[in-house]
Amino acid sequence: EAQVTQNPRYLITVTGKKLTVTCSQNMNHEYMSWYRQDPGLGLRQIYYSMNVEVTDKGDVPEGYKVSRKEKRNFPLILESPSPNQTSLYFCASSRRTSGGSTDTQYFGPGTRLTVL
Amino acid sequence: DAKTTQPPSMDCAEGRAANLPCNHSTISGNEYVYWYRQIHSQGPQYIIHGLKNNETNEMASLIITEDRKSSTLILPHATLRDTAVYYCIVRVVTNAGKSTFGDGTTLTVKP
Repeated sequence: EAQVTQNPRYLITVTGKKLTVTCSQNMNHEYMSWYRQDPGLGLRQIYYSMNVEVTDKGDVPEGYKVSRKEKRNFPLILESPSPNQTSLYFCASSRRTSGGSTDTQYFGPGTRLTVL
Repeated sequence: DAKTTQPPSMDCAEGRAANLPCNHSTISGNEYVYWYRQIHSQGPQYIIHGLKNNETNEMASLIITEDRKSSTLILPHATLRDTAVYYCIVRVVTNAGKSTFGDGTTLTVKP
């Protein structure tokens, strides 16, 4: 089954304790993204990746890091989490079409993070 | 990417057509219009996309005005399960993955 998986699904942590949220896709997609969603707000893109070792900032990258060492994985790293990073996080992937554009995005189930 | 504007909420009677508008007056020629929906706090789900022609699939129809400055998503026979937040976004054809979602429209389908 084609899917995007995220782990963990729920996480409660404390300020300053480094954490990693994993994202994996089994569709051989070139593009992957991370979004955060806060109450009353839409999805805001944090980082995206066009392929292995190629990443770029989205709209709200501050406080986050990403890496793309393998095509299927795109972990989100919070080096020193703070309470304002409490949010619902989504990973997404999409394929690169022959015209160079990205196709539709497939989203993971979400990770609910609470930073105390 | 061009900014989109959607009404914050809409209601629709079950079994009737739901017409969700989206304004993207600054859209450029190489930007597609995409629609996604999000049910509760699940991951958003792709619905449909188009460039300038009207499109239809098993879920919905997309009507894009001739000047491409607005579009309408049509759910022909809305059911209670279509209650969700609907997002209209525009994405550059040759973009590198950049994607900007707006606030979306909360559609409530009522019995």
